[in-house]
Amino acid sequence: NAGVTQTPKFRVLKTGQSMTLLCAQDMNHEYMYWYRQDPGMGLRLIHYSVGEGTTAKGEVPDGYNVSRLKKQNFLLGLESAAPSQTSVYFCASSLLAEPPYNEQFFGPGTRLTVL
Amino acid sequence: AQSVTQPDIHITVSEGASLELRCNYSYGATPYLFWYVQSPGQGLQLLLKYFSGDTLVQGIKGFEAEFKRSQSSFNLRKPSVHWSDAAEYFCAVGAYNTDKLIFGTGTRLQVFP
Repeated sequence: NAGVTQTPKFRVLKTGQSMTLLCAQDMNHEYMYWYRQDPGMGLRLIHYSVGEGTTAKGEVPDGYNVSRLKKQNFLLGLESAAPSQTSVYFCASSLLAEPPYNEQFFGPGTRLTVL
Repeated sequence: AQSVTQPDIHITVSEGASLELRCNYSYGATPYLFWYVQSPGQGLQLLLKYFSGDTLVQGIKGFEAEFKRSQSSFNLRKPSVHWSDAAEYFCAVGAYNTDKLIFGTGTRLQVFP
C-alpha cells in the first residue's frame, strides 16, 4: 500500500516549456487535490477533483490544467511554464469530503524550478 | 470569508520545554480542524483532528490540541519537546458544506539541545 505517490520528485524547466505532474493513490479515494507550497504562504489549492472525470478550480488555478481520467490518478499540467510557477507541488487525496472521512493524505511533493 | 491564522511564523524552544502553537480560524459553519506536521523535504502528516465531542483531542507523537469555540482557536500543545519535533506545523479547517480544507501559513519550530 503505497498511499499517495508523485512523479517526478524534481524537475527543472525553461520558461515556456510544458510538463505534466502525475499523482497516484491506491486507497480508492474519491477526492484528490493539487496544492502548491511557497515560503510564507502555506498551501494553496490549485485544482481538485471530487471523483473520476470531474475537476474544479481552487484558489490559484491560472496557468494550470488538470485531468482525472482514472479514479486513482490526478494529473497536473503546465502548458507554458513561468518562473512564478517555481514551487513545491503536493498532491493529496481523501476518501470523501465529510468527516470523519475527510482526512487528506499527502504525497511527498514535487520540487519544480522554472528558469 | 473563511480563514485560518497561525500568528507565529517561527518558534524556538529548548529540548524538554513545553510547546504551544496557536491556530485561530474564522468560519461561518461548524468547523472541523486538523493539525499537520511537515518534516524537511517531506509531505504533510496528520497529527490530530477534531470533528465533534471532547474538545481536547490526542494525536500522535505526544501532541494534543484543544478546540475552544468561544475563542475560535485550536491550539496545539506538547508537554516536553524532543529534537525530532523540529518541523513545520500547519493548522487546517474545513466544514460540512465544503469540499476543501483551508490551511494556515504554518509555524516553523526549531528545537535547541
